[in-house]
Amino acid sequence: AQTVTQSQPEMSVQEAETVTLSCTYDTSESNYYLFWYKQPPSRQMILVIRQEAYKQQNATENRFSVNFQKAAKSFSLKISDSQLGDTAMYFCAFPVSGGSQGNLIFGKGTKLSVKP
Amino acid sequence: GAGVSQSPSNKVTEKGKDVELRCDPISGHTALYWYRQSLGQGLEFLIYFQGNSAPDKSGLPSDRFSAERTGGSVSTLTIQRTQQEDSAVYLCASAGGYEQYFGPGTRLTVT
Repeated sequence: AQTVTQSQPEMSVQEAETVTLSCTYDTSESNYYLFWYKQPPSRQMILVIRQEAYKQQNATENRFSVNFQKAAKSFSLKISDSQLGDTAMYFCAFPVSGGSQGNLIFGKGTKLSVKP
Repeated sequence: GAGVSQSPSNKVTEKGKDVELRCDPISGHTALYWYRQSLGQGLEFLIYFQGNSAPDKSGLPSDRFSAERTGGSVSTLTIQRTQQEDSAVYLCASAGGYEQYFGPGTRLTVT
């Protein structure tokens, strides 16, 4: 069965520091995308970063980067120079049928609080 | 441009009533998804429309749930004979490629 596990229900970090959110997953697919989504209190889910499983290079988007370990099925998100606006729920997800599209399976989420 | 919109933003209904939730996707997006977000279950897939193909209904929790997508655009999720366990936030997303763009959701409360 396809699963996504986020083992940290809540985390906090001081403004300007770095924090890493963990995610492990299980899939029998060989080609797939992985995503991190952010959900602020407004409820609107926003894509933060994506990783294509066939690429060895870790994805980076400004202050956000991933540590993708395909053999270990691990996909952690690193947020550098944390800002107050990063306070949100963060969800790790991937398409249940593999590839880049189709319905997503999500982890339970990590609630991140950035403190001034 | 306009994003995904959903209406109503909040809905309170009595147990046993039917409700309709609406989703307006981004123009031109061929894929449309409904998810449910509840405290105990996290985010769950409900149904997926892709172009003119038959929808993937594999996530619908019971036959009280149904959805339509008219003209490849607007979608309506209908819940018949609502139960208290249906209380949740219902999220709609649309996609033209790999990225799913989410609406703000409808918070449904069944009393």
